[in-house]
Amino acid sequence: NAGVTQTPKFQVLKTGQSMTLQCAQDMNHNSMYWYRQDPGMGLRLIYYSASEGTTDKGEVPNGYNVSRLNKREFSLRLESAAPSQTSVYFCASSAAYEQYFGPGTRLTVT
Amino acid sequence: GQQLNQSPQSMFIQEGEDVSMNCTSSSIFNTWLWYKQDPGEGPVLLIALYKAGELTSNGRLTAQFGITRKDSFLNISASIPSDVGIYFCAGFSGNTPLVFGKGTRLSVIA
Repeated sequence: NAGVTQTPKFQVLKTGQSMTLQCAQDMNHNSMYWYRQDPGMGLRLIYYSASEGTTDKGEVPNGYNVSRLNKREFSLRLESAAPSQTSVYFCASSAAYEQYFGPGTRLTVT
Repeated sequence: GQQLNQSPQSMFIQEGEDVSMNCTSSSIFNTWLWYKQDPGEGPVLLIALYKAGELTSNGRLTAQFGITRKDSFLNISASIPSDVGIYFCAGFSGNTPLVFGKGTRLSVIA
């Protein structure tokens, strides 16, 4: 039982490049989330998916797209990376109120 | 939008001391959660509170759901070096995903 897994753990991109962050959960949770964490800013919600087939914007969605591929997987795509998107990205899942987090992806955009 | 004010932002304590931190809001929440994030890791759920006035313990950690439903408190007794990390509160009101505080960074001096 791995919980929430994220790939990759680290990534360096050049400005303008694109990439997809992958997230998968094996807890049969309906809801999944993407956050970014910057120093002093806490966790900010980018997008979430309350159930398979639905996605909604969070607090900071600009520059990102998401896909809820199936119940297990929720991906985050940066179409044209910018230095402002340098951050640590966390995926989480929940059945009700309690969210469970993955280990994070540390992304640097130069 | 809903916001959680978490204090203090950071604290330095001696090993063996007790720690208190809190989270307040102008909005009412139905559920309060407390998370801990170790350096380089994702947040891990410590305690969940579901009822106003509820007091719940997890080892040396004790958390309370404020009677007004607008605040919550976390206490750590007899701190040890492995208590180092960032502690986040989170609230759920039923209308939106979890709202997170900006965190309290705890440093323990041996």
